[in-house]
Amino acid sequence: TQLLEQSPQFLSIQEGENLTVYCNSSSVFSSLQWYRQEPGEGPVLLVTVVTGGEVKKLKRLTFQFGDARKDSSLHITAAQPGDTGLYLCAGDMTDKLIFGTGTRLQVFP
Amino acid sequence: KAGVTQTPRYLIKTRGQQVTLSCSPISGHRSVSWYQQTPGQGLQFLFEYFSETQRNKGNFPGRFSGRQFSNSRSEMNVSTLELGDSALYLCASSLGGLSIGEQYFGPGTRLTVT
Repeated sequence: TQLLEQSPQFLSIQEGENLTVYCNSSSVFSSLQWYRQEPGEGPVLLVTVVTGGEVKKLKRLTFQFGDARKDSSLHITAAQPGDTGLYLCAGDMTDKLIFGTGTRLQVFP
Repeated sequence: KAGVTQTPRYLIKTRGQQVTLSCSPISGHRSVSWYQQTPGQGLQFLFEYFSETQRNKGNFPGRFSGRQFSNSRSEMNVSTLELGDSALYLCASSLGGLSIGEQYFGPGTRLTVT
């Protein structure tokens, strides 16, 4: 059973466009992490959100944790080719991380 | 500070063989977790070791096992390999503690079973 569903699964956009990736669950998490993975490498941690309703900004990336701590979103403003990669959300269930299904983003110049 | 290292990076094995993968965590990190990543199932948790003890385990058969040494280095073993074991195996380390916490991943070992 996949506890964390991400949408969309694939996203192909032009440089300069904005996009939002969603991470949804019926479970409550103590925190939620977002990672980006590039081909041939392991995932790299982008941010951790802990408090319900929390919003964190990392340059052009905005992360939000749902009020009920069951869902999260990642918004990218003015996407660049360097943003290309697999975006993964991961819910912290204290004893393990549950990873989402992933969103594969391709940004064309 | 050096990152998480995994060896080997690539491995080709035959069905029925066994394989051992190695992971060296970031210095000072006491928790090591292993994950399997496949196109169909995504990234799935295998197990976590903390202070040489397996603390948590995912839903994988007993053919998958691991251990952690006193210097926090960890190994993962898969016995009686099956074609479906072909995957990217990722190791991640964290400081450890009450929660599994933020994971710092290695580059992975790409295992192909023929």
